[in-house]
Amino acid sequence: QVHLVEAGGGVVQPGRSLRLSCEASGFTFSAFGMHWVRQAPGKGLEWVAIVWNDGFNKFYADSVEGRFTISRDNSKNTMYLQMNSLRAEDTAVYYCAKEAFCGGGSCGFFQSWGRGTLVIVSS
Amino acid sequence: EVVLTQSPATLSLSPGERATLSCRASQSISNYIGWYQQKPGQVPRLLIYDASNRATGIPARFSGSGSGTDFTLTISSLEPEDFAVYYCQSRGNWPPYSFGQGTKLEI
Repeated sequence: QVHLVEAGGGVVQPGRSLRLSCEASGFTFSAFGMHWVRQAPGKGLEWVAIVWNDGFNKFYADSVEGRFTISRDNSKNTMYLQMNSLRAEDTAVYYCAKEAFCGGGSCGFFQSWGRGTLVIVSS
Repeated sequence: EVVLTQSPATLSLSPGERATLSCRASQSISNYIGWYQQKPGQVPRLLIYDASNRATGIPARFSGSGSGTDFTLTISSLEPEDFAVYYCQSRGNWPPYSFGQGTKLEI
């Protein structure tokens, strides 16, 4: 059974930093791309970033490019999101998500989700 | 970046009725569309991937169709537990990934 557990959320002042983590279990972590997806209070879903299964290829939404850094440690089955220069508009629940397996391999749909960790950016 | 527009914003139906939700992409994305269901206080659940493939454990009353720019999620006969918000999402051949703004399916 896939299990994803996020941690690291909290209240932070604008301009400060926060590091989220996502601990995975129940599947071969190194075989799947992993994502961060966020949801502002009462709003829809917004994709944030992806790290490929090998940890080398990473891509970001325009809204976080240059401020957030995604990474993973396959030896620890853990993914991270380093968030710098935080803004009020970054306030959201941050979910980590495991890619689905679409026949040919890991693909860019989100099969499994963690419960999320809430980040509040406020002075 | 692909922009996904879902319609309607809200759909009011009764149990047993058929629901048809639409998602239009700003450019052709082949069949690279997925659908998610999110109930209040819960995490999203993948229903459909690559336009028409049901994810593991998803009931047969959920089906998806479409290609190119126009996609549809159909729920053949609504059950009480189906009332939720539904999102479409594109994966394309390369990031970024996009979500639609959601359709709220209400009783």
